[in-house]
Amino acid sequence: DAKTTQPTSMDCAEGRAANLPCNHSTISGNEYVYWYRQIHSQGPQYIIHGLKNNETNEMASLIITEDRKSSTLILPHATLRDTAVYYCIVRVGRGSQGNLIFGKGTKLSVKP
Amino acid sequence: DVKVTQSSRYLVKRTGEKVFLECVQDMDHENMFWYRQDPGLGLRLIYFSYDVKMKEKGDIPEGYSVSREKKERFSLILESASTNQTSMYLCASTPSSGKYEQYFGPGTRLTVT
Repeated sequence: DAKTTQPTSMDCAEGRAANLPCNHSTISGNEYVYWYRQIHSQGPQYIIHGLKNNETNEMASLIITEDRKSSTLILPHATLRDTAVYYCIVRVGRGSQGNLIFGKGTKLSVKP
Repeated sequence: DVKVTQSSRYLVKRTGEKVFLECVQDMDHENMFWYRQDPGLGLRLIYFSYDVKMKEKGDIPEGYSVSREKKERFSLILESASTNQTSMYLCASTPSSGKYEQYFGPGTRLTVT
């Protein structure tokens, strides 16, 4: 199973872009990169996922390097409510039954 | 919006008690999951189910069992609760097609004394 490596913590100023890196150097060709976040005392929340191409939705952008060994989640204008633990996950298993292996994530603190 | 609900936010039980944690989802998802979350260990998969009456062991199934009698409901059972099962328990569901993202419930914080 592919593993991910993330920094333990990061700070970001409110209103600035938050760029959260993730290393997944052993990812295989058919594995997706997923990002979730968990705000204190809540269940994890899906943010975005991608395979090869960069992706954008209403919450964030996902930039995946050409060799797919790393990716960056970008929150374009971070707010205080974005303070959370962010998990980068490589999805294992086949079909929709594959479970998500959550690592320790990056604790993002957005400061005023 | 997808709703995943869990029967309790907080639960306190005694050692040796049988504990039922209930999870219900309202989006007709085929797949459901039970995780536990502990400080420093992240989320760990206990069991999952991809259909009614079907179940698969996750990474840490010991001391737990599950039941999926109806598609919308997935129950986690602690046959004889022990103190090392004190944890946050999270339920999730996902459809069998589409983006496959998991939708999580709010969690149940279980304390076994």
